[in-house]
Amino acid sequence: EVQLVESGGGLVQPGGSLRLSCAASGFTFSSYEMNWVRQAPGKGLEWVSYISSSGSTIYYADSVKGRFTISRDNAKNSLYLQMNSLRAEDTAVYYCARAVAAAGVGAFDIWGQGTMVTVSS
Amino acid sequence: QSALTQPRSVSGSPGQSVTISCTGTSSDVGGYNYVSWYQQHPGKAPKLMIYDVSKRPSGVPDRFSGSKSGNTASLTISGLQAEDEADYYCCSYAGSFDVVFGGGTKLTVL
Repeated sequence: EVQLVESGGGLVQPGGSLRLSCAASGFTFSSYEMNWVRQAPGKGLEWVSYISSSGSTIYYADSVKGRFTISRDNAKNSLYLQMNSLRAEDTAVYYCARAVAAAGVGAFDIWGQGTMVTVSS
Repeated sequence: QSALTQPRSVSGSPGQSVTISCTGTSSDVGGYNYVSWYQQHPGKAPKLMIYDVSKRPSGVPDRFSGSKSGNTASLTISGLQAEDEADYYCCSYAGSFDVVFGGGTKLTVL
């Protein structure tokens, strides 16, 4: 079964750090571009970051640029999001999402169940 | 980049058709054929329903269709079913590897 499973969420104080992980299974992880997308409580979806299949190309939303770092370990079939200098507005469910192969930007066909990040003192 | 504009809610009776609009600008929806649509049930992860404006992933019923005219994309659901009741989000490429989502539309099946 094709699956993505996120972990690492939790409660963190403003200014703190957290590292999210996403474990992939059921497909050739190293062949796919990956993304992080978040959703604040009761709000809509927001794209956060993209990484190419090899990890050589990376993009971020302006709202997290300079604070978040996306990475991947294809040997471990894993995607990561290092979040530093966290703010209250970063509170959200964070999803890892697989990009549709040979499709345009913004097409995500496989999503994890999400992991909740709460930034509060 | 501003979010794309969607109606807050739409509704329809079983068997009817509904259309959800998604309005952007020439810098996003109007500039690229990279519009996708997601269905999200409460407490669940989003599900891809349409990508590249009008392509349907395997397993998505052909009752779901997508189109685009100028700066506005649309998702049409025909033959409404109770299980279609959910939130729907549009998404578009906005250039310089920026991806923007709409604010979401709540579909109620009456």
